[in-house]
Amino acid sequence: GESVGLHLPTLSVQEGDNSIINCAYSNSASDYFIWYKQESGKGPQFIIDIRSNMDKRQGQRVTVLLNKTVKHLSLQIAATQPGDSAVYFCAEVFSGGYNKLIFGAGTRLAVHP
Amino acid sequence: GAVVSQHPSRVICKSGTSVKIECRSLDFQATTMFWYRQFPKQSLMLMATSNEGSKATYEQGVEKDKFLINHASLTLSTLTVTSAHPEDSSFYICSAPRTTSGSTDTQYFGPGTRLTVL
Repeated sequence: GESVGLHLPTLSVQEGDNSIINCAYSNSASDYFIWYKQESGKGPQFIIDIRSNMDKRQGQRVTVLLNKTVKHLSLQIAATQPGDSAVYFCAEVFSGGYNKLIFGAGTRLAVHP
Repeated sequence: GAVVSQHPSRVICKSGTSVKIECRSLDFQATTMFWYRQFPKQSLMLMATSNEGSKATYEQGVEKDKFLINHASLTLSTLTVTSAHPEDSSFYICSAPRTTSGSTDTQYFGPGTRLTVL
């Protein structure tokens, strides 16, 4: 289930289950979105991206869904593994140029054996 | 392998001193780099955009005289935290966009620098 921690919400799942992490973005003019994974003490790592002319994109074990109507993104991880435990952030690319990224609040994914 | 490096990875300093953090793109040139700050259990907050050959662009609420940015070359940007205080203790992360296929830019992040001000 989901719980809200002090700052980051946490999603706890069993190993092998599918995970769905949600994100709301703010700027309706943003046209490019990215999901990042951040392990403790490290920089963010690119997972998957999607442009606003798409509503779904699939990678290896990951799928990103984009709903522009309600400004919502989701990241689906299939067959979640212990190595997937990390904090996940969505980011929108600021449409004003310079590839400026605005990060969402983040969700901690905890995978239990 | 890593395409963006940061140095140092950790630094502890006394209150009132200045600390310089380096961000390097390893095998590509970056006319623009970005500096973020991350407090524990929080998201990354963009501090400023570092521009090679011109002044940095700071986000609202970020003191430009406190956080000095110098984009010395096409592969190096530095962030200097001047007169550091305990509230400046944070995780500082840089990123650099790299053009891959066509005109698509991918942001590569450095491993971060943990600053602790005593």
